[in-house]
Amino acid sequence: KAGVTQTPRYLIKTRGQQVTLSCSPISGHRSVSWYQQTPGQGLQFLFEYFSETQRNKGNFPGRFSGRQFSNSRSEMNVSTLELGDSALYLCASKRTNTEAFFGQGTRLTVV
Amino acid sequence: DAKTTQPPSMDCAEGRAANLPCNHSTISGNEYVYWYRQIHSQGPQYIIHGLKNNETNEMASLIITEDRKSSTLILPHATLRDTAVYYCIVSHSNDYKLSFGAGTTVTVRA
Repeated sequence: KAGVTQTPRYLIKTRGQQVTLSCSPISGHRSVSWYQQTPGQGLQFLFEYFSETQRNKGNFPGRFSGRQFSNSRSEMNVSTLELGDSALYLCASKRTNTEAFFGQGTRLTVV
Repeated sequence: DAKTTQPPSMDCAEGRAANLPCNHSTISGNEYVYWYRQIHSQGPQYIIHGLKNNETNEMASLIITEDRKSSTLILPHATLRDTAVYYCIVSHSNDYKLSFGAGTTVTVRA
């Protein structure tokens, strides 16, 4: 079956712009989580959505937001981009009481 | 706030078994031990998980001590493609958040 799909794979944006990243979970998975990975901070949890509701959010500023659609696809948005937002953004999906599966990530570079 | 301790790095010879240790002394009774690996710039890949019994799948074996305070991931015949960062994570099965530590960087050498 198809895995977790993230688009786009690579993105270059300018400081101050905003960006939207997309994640299509594995069919049947209703939970979608987002993570940010940087060399300095490692993998950090951003937020998780289940049935179109955000259940929890990590310690990130309000510039980071997300949403989930009725088909479980999810998007995350970062507004007013800063250089420090350059990172690999990862999406993971899971069913209840099963392991999480990750997508290949979106590499965002802010210049 | 990762609840596991792993060595930062280890080398392994191609074709030999790689044994990756993980300490999780504060694990609670209903928390599982999960292993993921991340090959450079790709998304983490699920390997295996277990509660208290040893587990084996096509990728690896997981040995959990009787007191559950530590575990070992075994890659039976390491190949160059197994070079990656390996993460040991303890989590409830219905947790939506995985707390990643620094992991162990495994380098398989020819």
